[in-house]
Amino acid sequence: NAGVTQTPKFQVLKTGQSMTLQCAQDMNHNSMYWYRQDPGMGLRLIYYSASEGTTDKGEVPNGYNVSRLNKREFSLRLESAAPSQTSVYFCASSDHTTNTGELFFGEGSRLTVL
Amino acid sequence: AQKITQTQPGMFVQEKEAVTLDCTYDTSDPSYGLFWYKQPSSGEMIFLIYQGSYDQQNATEGRYSLNFQKARKSANLVISASQLGDSAMYFCAMRETNNFNKFYFGSGTKLNVKP
Repeated sequence: NAGVTQTPKFQVLKTGQSMTLQCAQDMNHNSMYWYRQDPGMGLRLIYYSASEGTTDKGEVPNGYNVSRLNKREFSLRLESAAPSQTSVYFCASSDHTTNTGELFFGEGSRLTVL
Repeated sequence: AQKITQTQPGMFVQEKEAVTLDCTYDTSDPSYGLFWYKQPSSGEMIFLIYQGSYDQQNATEGRYSLNFQKARKSANLVISASQLGDSAMYFCAMRETNNFNKFYFGSGTKLNVKP
């Protein structure tokens, strides 16, 4: 059982370049999320998708776009990367029908913008 | 205001001793859930324990227990009999029922277990 898979694991970009982070989950979860993790700041929510076909902004959406392609896949796009977007990005999913509804995370994607 | 506050950036504990990691939260929603995650140096996020706001008893999972004090809005993680493998970052998180898809995370506590 793969859980949540995100690619790529590492990426270096130049300022102004674009890229897409891919995420897929095989747990049939309705909700999916993108977080960024910066030192001393914990995890901050960029965007989330409560169900297929819907997306909503989180705490720090500026500079990002997302697509919920189907129930399994949720991608994060940086149209014009900036050094401030250097971070570790985590995709996560959850099933709100369970008692706990905890987040299941991917392994993270380390992005450096030069 | 911060939804989740973890005031201990770093802590040391001797192997085999117990350690408490502090977490306070801020919410006006009467129904919410509290979570603890572990992040080893390898980077993955591991779910440890959950406490619901209406749960009468403190949650326990093996060596992990959650000291839930609702009136004080605190949800401290207690790790008993610390092991070297417990060295990691620990994050407290909260989800409010009226905003179910938003999990709020604290800034984390780095725990180092000394042999």
